[in-house]
Amino acid sequence: AIQMTQSPSSLSASVGDRVTITCRASQGIRNDLGWYQQKPGKAPKLLIYAASSLQSGVPSRFSGSGSGTDFTLTISSLQPEDFATYYCLQDYNYPRTFGGGTKVEIK
Amino acid sequence: EVQLVESGGGLVQPGGSLRLSCAASGFTFSSYSMNWVRQAPGKGLEWVSYISSSSSTIYYADSVKGRFTISRDNAKNSLYLQMNSLRAEDTAVYYCARVNGLALPGGYYYYGMDVWGQGTTVTVSS
Repeated sequence: AIQMTQSPSSLSASVGDRVTITCRASQGIRNDLGWYQQKPGKAPKLLIYAASSLQSGVPSRFSGSGSGTDFTLTISSLQPEDFATYYCLQDYNYPRTFGGGTKVEIK
Repeated sequence: EVQLVESGGGLVQPGGSLRLSCAASGFTFSSYSMNWVRQAPGKGLEWVSYISSSSSTIYYADSVKGRFTISRDNAKNSLYLQMNSLRAEDTAVYYCARVNGLALPGGYYYYGMDVWGQGTTVTVSS
């Protein structure tokens, strides 16, 4: 199974900060990667698909990049509603595998 | 409104069985593949199982293979997960998620999990 290594596991940031989260695949997955946001007690929400395509309704401050094995999720200006846990997911093959998650906390 | 609603969770003893259901509404259920994803308390997300729209293709995580069975009834707009020989490590919130073709430039589509249910909690304990 493809392993997805996400970093950092947590970070503290302030409103307005630029935040970057990375995800590395154990083998090349083209651009078959999605990013999800999860708030406590809620279901995950799709933010980015195909590594860099913004899901409908998601604010443009979220962006994704990367291909092959290295991927990045960037929040250009952190807003109060963005404090959550973020996961990457490889959609390249089955079994699907998630990164371990990055918890974004208020500084 | 596109919606997925899970049910069937609860407390079960180790070695017991449980059947989860996921009711779909607001879209043509029979046209979409589906997944089950779970999350143990305080842990990350773990993919569990996949079923294609016609049930012709099914996959399982190694951790549940031989114990869990995914199925669907397109006439009832419902997805199921039969869980047998349950273990303490199966304790989690279980989510169903729709696989949708998401538009890409050039007329291509990317198949990602775009709609999720609210989850149902399974607790395996004596």
